[in-house]
Amino acid sequence: QVQLVESGGGLVKPGGSLRLSCAASGFTFSDYYMSWIRQAPGKGLEWVSYISSSGSTIYYADSVKGRFTISRDNAKNSLYLQMNSLRAEDTAVYYCARRRSKYYFDYWGQGTLVTVSS
Amino acid sequence: QSALTQPASVSGSPGQSITISCTGTSSDVGSYNLVSWYQQHPGKAPKLMIYEGSKRPSGVSNRFSGSKSGNTASLTISGLQAEDEADYYCCSYAGSSPYVFGTGTKVTVL
Repeated sequence: QVQLVESGGGLVKPGGSLRLSCAASGFTFSDYYMSWIRQAPGKGLEWVSYISSSGSTIYYADSVKGRFTISRDNAKNSLYLQMNSLRAEDTAVYYCARRRSKYYFDYWGQGTLVTVSS
Repeated sequence: QSALTQPASVSGSPGQSITISCTGTSSDVGSYNLVSWYQQHPGKAPKLMIYEGSKRPSGVSNRFSGSKSGNTASLTISGLQAEDEADYYCCSYAGSSPYVFGTGTKVTVL
């Protein structure tokens, strides 16, 4: 069955960096676009970024553009999110999600919590 | 891109039907019949309930249905059950943005 397992979250100071990982299994990872979606504590969902199956096409939300970098390693069935210049407002649970088609996300991981605080 | 507007809360008794609205603009909901809906229980990951406006993934109860009129999409839960108590989010493809989520609706089963 499809499994997505995020890791790498934690407490980081404002201005710091963190790299999130998402390990995928149960499907042919290299066939699918993947996305990062986040949820601030007690708040709604916010799409962050997506990457095409080959890694050649990437999009970011305006709120993270220039600070976050999405990447993938199809040989390792893994998705990554490098987060730099972190701000308090980046505090959230970060989910990786499989994009089933252009229009929706059919599987989500359990999420990893990122807390940006001094 | 602003978040899609959902009611903060909707409630109903077991067996009743409830409808959650999701209002966007002509740039997102109105342009694409491609709204998806996600159910999220506390502390859990979101789960896909409806995609492409009205389609149900395998395993999702037929008590869940989706529709759209103009710039507003709707999720209807019929025969409300205790297990349906959760947060629900809509999501629309928005072209260049490219994804916008709703503000979320807490469903309470009375």
